[in-house]
Amino acid sequence: DVKVTQSSRYLVKRTGEKVFLECVQDMDHENMFWYRQDPGLGLRLIYFSYDVKMKEKGDIPEGYSVSREKKERFSLILESASTNQTSMYLCASSSRDRAGNEQFFGPGTRLTVL
Amino acid sequence: DQQVKQNSPSLSVQEGRISILNCDYTNSMFDYFLWYKKYPAEGPTFLISISSIKDKNEDGRFTVFLNKSAKHLSLHIVPSQPGDSAVYFCAASSFGNEKLTFGTGTRLTIIP
Repeated sequence: DVKVTQSSRYLVKRTGEKVFLECVQDMDHENMFWYRQDPGLGLRLIYFSYDVKMKEKGDIPEGYSVSREKKERFSLILESASTNQTSMYLCASSSRDRAGNEQFFGPGTRLTVL
Repeated sequence: DQQVKQNSPSLSVQEGRISILNCDYTNSMFDYFLWYKKYPAEGPTFLISISSIKDKNEDGRFTVFLNKSAKHLSLHIVPSQPGDSAVYFCAASSFGNEKLTFGTGTRLTIIP
């Protein structure tokens, strides 16, 4: 069974803090993704990684950075958290060999920035 | 520019009846379409998919229909059950692109 885990289910941080969200997948997938989900806006891609140390900006990368030092782990970093980054953050992974690019999601991290 | 659109933010259906969720897309390069289901405080889970070489794919109570000329797909759930109450996202991808483009979601409520 594919498993994608995220380090925290709920996080509360203060404006200006540096925030790390961690994601680990156990299926040896090449691709990993970070999304945020906001009401009425669906899932918006923040960053995408197709290999270790490789990354690509998604649709809304501003205010975020990522790190992928190992194949199974993809971290999202908020360098200086702001209130407009309060959201549900979802990590996903997929295999390059799988037709249709089906992505497997973690349970999400609900981040509140005060 | 919203390339995948779900124009109904919400839908309520009586238990036992058919639920029909709709999705439109604008990018003619999309050749694979997926539906995901999401419960509150959980990540989306894959439900069903369809390739552009087909116009229908069925899996138990779930059927997805694709109309390429209209750039429209729909998800039919029959019969609807209370456990189907969730947010449903439509997603699309194109050959050679590892990313998915998601719609904004439709919240389905099944009324007992």
